[in-house]
Amino acid sequence: EPEVTQTPSHQVTQMGQEVILRCVPISNHLYFYWYRQILGQKVEFLVSFYNNEISEKSEIFDDQFSVERPDGSNFTLKIRSTKLEDSAMYFCASSKRHGEETQYFGPGTRLLVL
Amino acid sequence: AQTVTQSQPEMSVQEAETVTLSCTYDTSESDYYLFWYKQPPSRQMILVIRQEAYKQQNATENRFSVNFQKAAKSFSLKISDSQLGDAAMYFCAYERGNTPLVFGKGTRLSVIA
Repeated sequence: EPEVTQTPSHQVTQMGQEVILRCVPISNHLYFYWYRQILGQKVEFLVSFYNNEISEKSEIFDDQFSVERPDGSNFTLKIRSTKLEDSAMYFCASSKRHGEETQYFGPGTRLLVL
Repeated sequence: AQTVTQSQPEMSVQEAETVTLSCTYDTSESDYYLFWYKQPPSRQMILVIRQEAYKQQNATENRFSVNFQKAAKSFSLKISDSQLGDAAMYFCAYERGNTPLVFGKGTRLSVIA
């Protein structure tokens, strides 16, 4: 069964460093999402992406964040200068269509900023 | 803005028994989708069940079923014949066309052998 994959599974970085989190969505899906979950808290939406551009973003998704689909399979989230409060689990999700199709989640990347 | 409320931070159930997790939501829309996701200790988000608001029939997936009360804006999850592997965080989520998923804070379910 097709699934969303994410790499790395864990990342430790120093405050101020740039990190890139990678996702490979399900191949015939067209909508891609990033969510994050700070430990012990609920899952929060960051950004959605369709047709090579951002379709919606939350207040959390400030200028430190960017997303890209550099090729036909990968979908990346970049954090330019990490802060301690960026430590969280980051989930990628994909769906065939927006709003009417189930979003399938990847296993997540656990980011720890020291 | 839509909100999702899970009023039970923690629940426990004996193995083989039935447990119901509660979820309420707030929306002014008539067409939307509701989900239950399971998050085991590995922290992966696993879809458990989905309900379309326009369908009156409650969704069922094997041991998992929902009680969808549209007028009351309630969407509870019933787990029958609970198994040790059901122990996890369960998140209720809402989605309307052209909006991202909105999650509740979750309910931690423990299964007692």
